[in-house]
Amino acid sequence: KNQVEQSPQSLIILEGKNCTLQCNYTVSPFSNLRWYKQDTGRGPVSLTIMTFSENTKSNGRYTATLDADTKQSSLHITASQLSDSASYICVVSAKGNTPLVFGKGTRLSVIA
Amino acid sequence: GAVVSQHPSRVICKSGTSVKIECRSLDFQATTMFWYRQFPKQSLMLMATSNEGSKATYEQGVEKDKFLINHASLTLSTLTVTSAHPEDSSFYICSARESGHSYNSPLHFGNGTRLTVT
Repeated sequence: KNQVEQSPQSLIILEGKNCTLQCNYTVSPFSNLRWYKQDTGRGPVSLTIMTFSENTKSNGRYTATLDADTKQSSLHITASQLSDSASYICVVSAKGNTPLVFGKGTRLSVIA
Repeated sequence: GAVVSQHPSRVICKSGTSVKIECRSLDFQATTMFWYRQFPKQSLMLMATSNEGSKATYEQGVEKDKFLINHASLTLSTLTVTSAHPEDSSFYICSARESGHSYNSPLHFGNGTRLTVT
């Protein structure tokens, strides 16, 4: 069964600190992996998309990594800001016209 | 960047009434749009795939007669929750992919509609 598991479920960090969120998946055959940021009461916003051949991709203070062999991805946030407080969702797509598989997200709270 | 507009953002309705939610792609054409439902602290759950000019494809367990989808143009899809009940209260989100783009292209999400059925 195609699944996406994220950890931790929630995380609280001090402003200015770094953090890393994890995503493990069993989706096959793998097409791409996406990280989204979802503010409370809003729709998800795309941060990165990575295909099989990409190991790392950055978007400002966000850096995503992908290990297609171990089926793991991480999202690293550098120098966190209060506005980074949100849910971060890992989404994996299988090849072909199949539904995306969503993780439950990691709820990040950045505090002053 | 590509923008998906969803309306209304919030709606409160009485049990038994119907509610229509609109999803518009503002600056691109979307042959395919997707409708999701999200309960608190849960993942987005795909309800149906909306295809312009044809019938929507519903996920298992989603009643097509209760959740009516119309995708009449390349920029508009609507979801109508018919005979709403309190258990239909949820956060409904649409997304769209630009026509002609591959599956590796970004999905653009609307800002969601918070439905509360009293």
